[in-house]
Amino acid sequence: AQSVTQPDIHITVSEGASLELRCNYSYGATPYLFWYVQSPGQGLQLLLKYFSGDTLVQGIKGFEAEFKRSQSSFNLRKPSVHWSDAAEYFCAVGFMDSNYQLIWGAGTKLIIKP
Amino acid sequence: DTAVSQTPKYLVTQMGNDKSIKCEQNLGHDTMYWYKQDSKKFLKIMFSYNNKELIINETVPNRFSPKSPDKAHLNLHINSLELGDSAVYFCASSQDSLSLSLGYTFGSGTRLTVV
Repeated sequence: AQSVTQPDIHITVSEGASLELRCNYSYGATPYLFWYVQSPGQGLQLLLKYFSGDTLVQGIKGFEAEFKRSQSSFNLRKPSVHWSDAAEYFCAVGFMDSNYQLIWGAGTKLIIKP
Repeated sequence: DTAVSQTPKYLVTQMGNDKSIKCEQNLGHDTMYWYKQDSKKFLKIMFSYNNKELIINETVPNRFSPKSPDKAHLNLHINSLELGDSAVYFCASSQDSLSLSLGYTFGSGTRLTVV
């Protein structure tokens, strides 16, 4: 069965430092890839997505992600985090042969140190 | 002009009660979803409707019954509530069931607490 792995349950980063959140998926075909952010007490907001083309995609709030087919990864990055970035981040992957249903990672909680 | 709106935002109820959560989207999307997020933040899909037709029905107790009166609305009714039903329930919508080009749009969630 297809699966999505976010290996880090939580990550602590100092404000102003760079960030990378990891996401790996188990299936070989080109997937539809998403990163969502959930601020405390809020719903999920789409940060960015990738279907095809340039493997480095830009999103909202200064985030970017890079699709690496050889590693089945879609890691999320930000060069300098702000305290307001503290939230839960979810990677999700959709596949044509799973009827485009999104498969979700377990989430990574980002903690910002002042 | 909220895109996906859920009501109520909070729901506290006793075991054994029946409750409903409502969801409406004004995006013109064809497909709507119900997700359950447990205390560890894990997201589990429960149901999906495409243009009022049930297309995803995951292994969920039959105490949970979705209803879609039209493609802009998807309600969730829960009978005989149990302590384990306590969670945050999210409604979401997408353009259609065979297109992920725009991703999903989520509501802000309903926090259900069963006491």
